[in-house]
Amino acid sequence: QVQLVQSGAEMKRPGSSVKISCETSGGTFSTYAISWVRQAPGQGPEYMGRIVPIFGTPNYAQNFQGRIKITADKSTNTVYLELSSLRFDDTALYYCARGLGASGAYYTVYLYWGQGTLVSVSS
Amino acid sequence: EFVLTQSPRTLSLSPGERATLSCRASQSVTSNFFAWYQQKPGQAPRLLIYATSTRATGIPDRFSGSGSGTDFTLSISRLQPEDFAVYYCQQYDSVPPMSTFGQGTKLEIK
Repeated sequence: QVQLVQSGAEMKRPGSSVKISCETSGGTFSTYAISWVRQAPGQGPEYMGRIVPIFGTPNYAQNFQGRIKITADKSTNTVYLELSSLRFDDTALYYCARGLGASGAYYTVYLYWGQGTLVSVSS
Repeated sequence: EFVLTQSPRTLSLSPGERATLSCRASQSVTSNFFAWYQQKPGQAPRLLIYATSTRATGIPDRFSGSGSGTDFTLSISRLQPEDFAVYYCQQYDSVPPMSTFGQGTKLEIK
């Protein structure tokens, strides 16, 4: 079955960068979009961006333009999220998630989720 | 900015009762690309409903979704103890790529 396994918790200073990974197994890696969705304490999920590995070009949500980078390594079935210029309000649980289907709108309705990576930003 | 507003923020009901959760969009949703998720403490969200009214695999038929335009509803008939959780609505699309979530409704035991 499809599994998404994320890297461990991170503690960062304001202004620094963080890079977290999401290794997928089961199913077809290249044709399904992997999205990054974060959830601050007590808040609803927030879409950050996605990549379809077979195409390679990521899409980013407006709120993160300029400080987000999503990449995919097809040799290891791993997707990475890099977020720079970290602020206190970037403290959240970051999830990778795979879409229900391999095309169109089904890229961003999420059937499979990673376990989440806690990123804490503190001085 | 596209915003989803869920109501009520907290809903207190007893097992066996029917729950009705609402989600209002700031702009009309022209497609049926609307979903609902359930989240329990310490877990990732779980997909319940997509395409407004289609249950995801393995979701019991006591969960149902409906709506159009700006108003969408998740109904849970005959609440079971395991249904008490936080529920999120989501609007999604591919052109342009987007995904917006509501702030959640907490369904708690009365």
